[in-house]
Amino acid sequence: TQLLEQSPQFLSIQEGENLTVYCNSSSVFSSLQWYRQEPGEGPVLLVTVVTGGEVKKLKRLTFQFGDARKDSSLHITAAQPGDTGLYLCAGLTSGTYKYIFGTGTRLKVLA
Amino acid sequence: KAGVTQTPRYLIKTRGQQVTLSCSPISGHRSVSWYQQTPGQGLQFLFEYFSETQRNKGNFPGRFSGRQFSNSRSEMNVSTLELGDSALYLCASSPPGTSGTYEQYFGPGTRLTVT
Repeated sequence: TQLLEQSPQFLSIQEGENLTVYCNSSSVFSSLQWYRQEPGEGPVLLVTVVTGGEVKKLKRLTFQFGDARKDSSLHITAAQPGDTGLYLCAGLTSGTYKYIFGTGTRLKVLA
Repeated sequence: KAGVTQTPRYLIKTRGQQVTLSCSPISGHRSVSWYQQTPGQGLQFLFEYFSETQRNKGNFPGRFSGRQFSNSRSEMNVSTLELGDSALYLCASSPPGTSGTYEQYFGPGTRLTVT
């Protein structure tokens, strides 16, 4: 069974701090996505990374796909209260249309 | 473009009953996936449909079924409801593209409570 472990599970930080969320697996994925989900809503796609070692930046968010395409990280610079939410990574197995979702990281940014 | 819509948004059912949930994908999207989200298990894949055919299936019992219509709208059905079926059911649609960049856009979900 493929598993995607995220760490930390919970994170509470002050506005302006930096943080990194990790997504790890023993399986290789053809692509990996990051989502943010707010209460009562569906996950919203933030980014898709495809190439091993790829780094993508989205304003204050930096996403990296591991060289071996088994892991990924999300780094947030100068966190803001609007960044609060559940962050999910999801890996796509090569040759399928089936995403495996990570265990989730619940982030709370305090003003 | 309108996003993915799911109906109903909230549903309360009794153990043993059955339920049908509906999903309308983004216009032009032909692939629809369904997920179950619970606090304990997180987001788990149920099944995926493309052009009215089920292409992928997760590890759920046969009580969970789905179908897709020619206009890409999809329904999922859960028969003989159990308390453990209480969850947020999410639908996601995907645009045409290569399997390497298969992106998903989620609807707001249907919150099912089984009593």
